[in-house]
Amino acid sequence: GAVVSQHPSWVICKSGTSVKIECRSLDFQATTMFWYRQFPKQSLMLMATSNEGSKATYEQGVEKDKFLINHASLTLSTLTVTSAHPEDSSFYICSAEGSGGGPREQYFGPGTRLTVT
Amino acid sequence: LAKTTQPISMDSYEGQEVNITCSHNNIATNDYITWYQQFPSQGPRFIIQGYKTKVTNEVASLFIPADRKSSTLSLPRVSLSDTAVYYCLVAANNAGNMLTFGGGTRLMVKP
Repeated sequence: GAVVSQHPSWVICKSGTSVKIECRSLDFQATTMFWYRQFPKQSLMLMATSNEGSKATYEQGVEKDKFLINHASLTLSTLTVTSAHPEDSSFYICSAEGSGGGPREQYFGPGTRLTVT
Repeated sequence: LAKTTQPISMDSYEGQEVNITCSHNNIATNDYITWYQQFPSQGPRFIIQGYKTKVTNEVASLFIPADRKSSTLSLPRVSLSDTAVYYCLVAANNAGNMLTFGGGTRLMVKP
């Protein structure tokens, strides 16, 4: 149980285009999902907290107009990178929070590798 | 949020026991200590969680002293497949609680 999927697993896009990444909790409902970004050889950096039915909460320094997050249902959150640039190339990881909350109940997706050319 | 400090990297050999220590001097009363494992190009995976003393599961043990200002993840008899980055986090078990990942420890297991 507690499986989180991401789609696509990798994507290459041209500079200036937009890319949508999906995060799904397959066998549980998640009121809260989190989006992280990870550059090579670095740790995960939280970008935003996504709550179903409400606006996402972005971390300081993360442009909310560039990284659009939609959490329209209890099993799906999407991250859209708008007008992508090469510096947005990174590994994007989502996590979904199961019942009870806390680190033990955060289930991570496999990640999406974004390359902007 | 309590900050954590871990060694940047560690080397070990197959079959050895590996102990990774994490410092969290500012841990709060309601914080738990959680360890994650991450392989390259994958999301982190929960390993173990504890509040105090010792916790053991099928893959690891977690030792937490009485003052809770540090913790040690113990991996018994590591294999090559244990080569990964290990993250120590401290956070309360509350719904909607965001996690802050520190630098992690890059463990390299050699044959």
